[in-house]
Amino acid sequence: EVQLVESGGGSVQPGRSLRLSCVASGFSFDEYAMHWVRQAPGKGLEWVSGISWSSENIGYADSVKGRFTISRDNAKNSLYLQMNSLRAEDTARYYCAASSGPFHYWGQGTLVTASS
Amino acid sequence: QVVLTQPPSASASLGASVKLTCTLSSGHSDYAIAWHQRQPEKGPRYLMKLTFDGSHTKGDGIPDRFSGSSSGTERYLTISSLLSEDEADYYCQTWGTGIQDVVFGGGTKLTVL
Repeated sequence: EVQLVESGGGSVQPGRSLRLSCVASGFSFDEYAMHWVRQAPGKGLEWVSGISWSSENIGYADSVKGRFTISRDNAKNSLYLQMNSLRAEDTARYYCAASSGPFHYWGQGTLVTASS
Repeated sequence: QVVLTQPPSASASLGASVKLTCTLSSGHSDYAIAWHQRQPEKGPRYLMKLTFDGSHTKGDGIPDRFSGSSSGTERYLTISSLLSEDEADYYCQTWGTGIQDVVFGGGTKLTVL
């Protein structure tokens, strides 16, 4: 059974940091690009960041560029998102997803709240 | 960059069929898309990949009630014999050659009456 399990979310003050993790099982993690996608309250899905299977190619949405860093460890079947200088507008549920073009597998998400 | 447009809402009766639409921006009629379902309190679920000619490849365990079709820049998701559990948000998604070339439509909220 394919599983993507996110963790690391929580409630923090604006300006602080959080590190999200996603552990994968049930598929060949190192054959897929991995992404973070978020959904703010009452909004649609928004792509945040992606990383190729080899970590050679990385991309970020303009809204998080310079503040968030994506990484992966294929030996641990794990994906990470280091989020610095959090803003109120980063408040959302964050999902990890595996893709080969289409996003084939999704996690249940972890909630991040940036509020004073 | 390609833009995906979806109507914000749709509704249909229990047991009926509904056809949801995702429109690609002009000049992108050859793009494939994926359809995803997000039920309340759950993570998104991949439904299918849909190409420009209407051929589609469904995800694991997706029932035959879900099908896809295409016409020009329109991509459709048809759900037949609607169940209450089909009440969800449906998103289309496309991609390009770069890791950052990911686009989501705004989503359609389907209400099953």
